[in-house]
Amino acid sequence: GAVVSQHPSWVICKSGTSVKIECRSLDFQATTMFWYRQFPKQSLMLMATSNEGSKATYEQGVEKDKFLINHASLTLSTLTVTSAHPEDSSFYICSARAPTGTPSGYEQYFGPGTRLTVT
Amino acid sequence: EDKVVQSPLSLVVHEGDTVTLNCSYEVTNFRSLLWYKQEKKAPTFLFMLTSSGIEKKSGRLSSILDKKELSSILNITATQTGDSAIYLCAVNHGSSNTGKLIFGQGTTLQVKP
Repeated sequence: GAVVSQHPSWVICKSGTSVKIECRSLDFQATTMFWYRQFPKQSLMLMATSNEGSKATYEQGVEKDKFLINHASLTLSTLTVTSAHPEDSSFYICSARAPTGTPSGYEQYFGPGTRLTVT
Repeated sequence: EDKVVQSPLSLVVHEGDTVTLNCSYEVTNFRSLLWYKQEKKAPTFLFMLTSSGIEKKSGRLSSILDKKELSSILNITATQTGDSAIYLCAVNHGSSNTGKLIFGQGTTLQVKP
């Protein structure tokens, strides 16, 4: 199956600093990647859709200037949390879309997630 | 407003029991419904359902979609402690196939020995 990696798997940073999280599709090319955040005991909430070579599309309520997304290649998307604050502490998960070749079908494979703690 | 609702939110069973998890949805332009299993890290893919009434099966897990009822069930037979996890249902929808998913709240399953 398709493999998606994330780096780092966990990070602790001080309030006011920026943190970059990488998401890579290891054995397939992903024109579209997604970024989610998940708070404890809650489900995944989509933050933005990352398209290779174009600007990301952010969901309502997500600050684009705070969560910078760059999809520089078909296998790499990055999420940078700028001027992080304690309320940004969360589990950030990326996923990459892998086509199944059917008109309505595709599969979305998730990375292992990054645990961000802002102190 | 598009939404996905799962039930029950949590479930405790003993090894060997059979469980049924439910997922209902209200979305525009439904494309597919996906089930994921999440343990300590990110979700792992279980099933993708696009056609009503066709059961998908993998070992002790099976799932089926009912487009008339706008719902899906995930069955796990002969449960094992390793089945303990959060089971997430997600729906892909929209007039353009962006691939965006809406997730349900998840069902937390605990299987006791």
